[in-house]
Amino acid sequence: EDKVVQSPLSLVVHEGDTVTLNCSYEVTNFRSLLWYKQEKKAPTFLFMLTSSGIEKKSGRLSSILDKKELFSILNITATQTGDSAVYLCAVEAGNNDMRFGAGTRLTVKP
Amino acid sequence: KAGVTQTPRYLIKTRGQQVTLSCSPISGHRSVSWYQQTPGQGLQFLFEYFSETQRNKGNFPGRFSGRQFSNSRSEMNVSTLELGDSALYLCASSLNPGGLNSPLHFGNGTRLTVT
Repeated sequence: EDKVVQSPLSLVVHEGDTVTLNCSYEVTNFRSLLWYKQEKKAPTFLFMLTSSGIEKKSGRLSSILDKKELFSILNITATQTGDSAVYLCAVEAGNNDMRFGAGTRLTVKP
Repeated sequence: KAGVTQTPRYLIKTRGQQVTLSCSPISGHRSVSWYQQTPGQGLQFLFEYFSETQRNKGNFPGRFSGRQFSNSRSEMNVSTLELGDSALYLCASSLNPGGLNSPLHFGNGTRLTVT
């Protein structure tokens, strides 16, 4: 059965810290892995990764995919309170199913 | 460009009733997917529609159904509501079916409470 596992489930850090969120997966016919940030309601798109080893970067956020070891990490440097959110990892598989992990709840304290 | 719009924002129903939720995708997006989000289960895929056809269905009972109209707007219906159906229902649209190489864009969801 396809599955997406995120760790840790929750994380509390202080402003300025760097965090690394993990997402591992087992799916049939992997197509892409996506990261979303969910603050209150609608998850908002962060990154889409399809190729191994190519880092995607947007400001203080970056992400990379390892298709051999079947995982991705999302890094956030110099965290701010506005980074507090649930970070969702989703994997698109060959059966056209988009499967989400349970999410990592990040809390950044001032 | 307007985002994905879901109505209503909040809904309170009693067990046994039925409910219809609505989703208007981003203009030009023909794929609409529905998800149920609960604290215990996370985001669970319900179904996806593309060009008025259901392309994929998650592991939910037949009480959950949906449809898509020619203008790509979609509705989701839940009949014979149960307490466990209380959740945030999220709709997402994308350019391509199955979110193929195009990310999902989510609406703010409909918070359904079943009493």
